[in-house]
Amino acid sequence: SQKIEQNSEALNIQEGKTATLTCNYTNYSPAYLQWYRQDPGRGPVFLLLIRENEKEKRKERLKVTFDTTLKQSLFHITASQPADSATYLCAPMDTGRRALTFGSGTRLQVQP
Amino acid sequence: DTAVSQTPKYLVTQMGNDKSIKCEQNLGHDTMYWYKQDSKKFLKIMFSYNNKELIINETVPNRFSPKSPDKAHLNLHINSLELGDSAVYFCASSQDGRETQYFGPGTRLLVL
Repeated sequence: SQKIEQNSEALNIQEGKTATLTCNYTNYSPAYLQWYRQDPGRGPVFLLLIRENEKEKRKERLKVTFDTTLKQSLFHITASQPADSATYLCAPMDTGRRALTFGSGTRLQVQP
Repeated sequence: DTAVSQTPKYLVTQMGNDKSIKCEQNLGHDTMYWYKQDSKKFLKIMFSYNNKELIINETVPNRFSPKSPDKAHLNLHINSLELGDSAVYFCASSQDGRETQYFGPGTRLLVL
């Protein structure tokens, strides 16, 4: 069956360090994969989209990689700040269903 | 201006009641969605409408009935509410049903 795995444990890092979050998927062949941020009590907010033919995508302090052989995406936040503390969700696009399927998310806590 | 809005924000009701949640988007998108986020934070798609036509209908009890009066609105009606329906329900929209999704603030439903 299809599965998306993100670290269920919270990731705690010091301000200024690079945070790396992992998303592994099985039994998917996504045409693209998206990352969203969710703050407590709010809806998810889109951050980045990476397509299957792209190895890496950057936006300001954010970087996403996509390895279709390993079936893995990595999400990096450089020079992390306490304001980056949130839950980050990965969502591969299931082209068969024309729908995003979300992982359970990884909670990031950046300590000042 | 709010892009995707939902009403009500909170809904507390008794088992067996019927309730509706409304969603409106002012982004001009042609596709709208309903998601359910349970206590474990999994975000699962329930329904998707494209140009008022139902295109995704996941395994959801038929007590849940979506209605799309026009492209900008997607409402969710729930009959005979059960304890297990307690969750946060998010509405979202996108263009073409394939790319970035914009989420509403969520409706927190508590069934007593």
